[in-house]
Amino acid sequence: KAGVTQTPRYLIKTRGQQVTLSCSPISGHRSVSWYQQTPGQGLQFLFEYFSETQRNKGNFPGRFSGRQFSNSRSEMNVSTLELGDSALYLCASRFRSGRPEAFFGQGTRLTVV
Amino acid sequence: ELKVEQNPLFLSMQEGKNYTIYCNYSTTSDRLYWYRQDPGKSLESLFVLLSNGAVKQEGRLMASLDTKARLSTLHITAAVHDLSATYFCAVVDFGNEKLTFGTGTRLTIIP
Repeated sequence: KAGVTQTPRYLIKTRGQQVTLSCSPISGHRSVSWYQQTPGQGLQFLFEYFSETQRNKGNFPGRFSGRQFSNSRSEMNVSTLELGDSALYLCASRFRSGRPEAFFGQGTRLTVV
Repeated sequence: ELKVEQNPLFLSMQEGKNYTIYCNYSTTSDRLYWYRQDPGKSLESLFVLLSNGAVKQEGRLMASLDTKARLSTLHITAAVHDLSATYFCAVVDFGNEKLTFGTGTRLTIIP
């Protein structure tokens, strides 16, 4: 059974650019959540998508956005990159109802220079 | 706002010893997760605890949940080097899927 797949694994971008990260959940999982991990702030919730709708959003500026497609794959976009956006971005997938397990992908390491 | 506190932040212990990591949270929750993270890697799911008094064990790790005290523990028995990692607890608010994580406990097992 394939796990959660995130692409790309590594990215280097310049300040002011934008970036799009992708997450393919486990087959059958319809909920995808995104988290940012930094040494200073730890793991912070960005947003959750279920059935192509954003259900929850964390305390991040509007530069951070996302979407989910009909096959449950999700993308997140960060515009006008800042140095502080350098982080490991993780996505988690789960069924959302009935089964509580949440599984994380390998993450995308974003470096902004 | 849900807050999750983990302690200790750092734990260095000898192989063969037992120890416990604590996870306190501030508001009622219906789910608590434990994850392991190796350096530069993602989060590996260890346990999901759903109800008061829940206890789960896998190998040398045992997790328990006391919802009345809003406390979960991760107990390590007879530690081995392979358990060296950072361990996170995470709690879900009622009615949404947002995981609020603790700060993590960096565990180092010394031979």
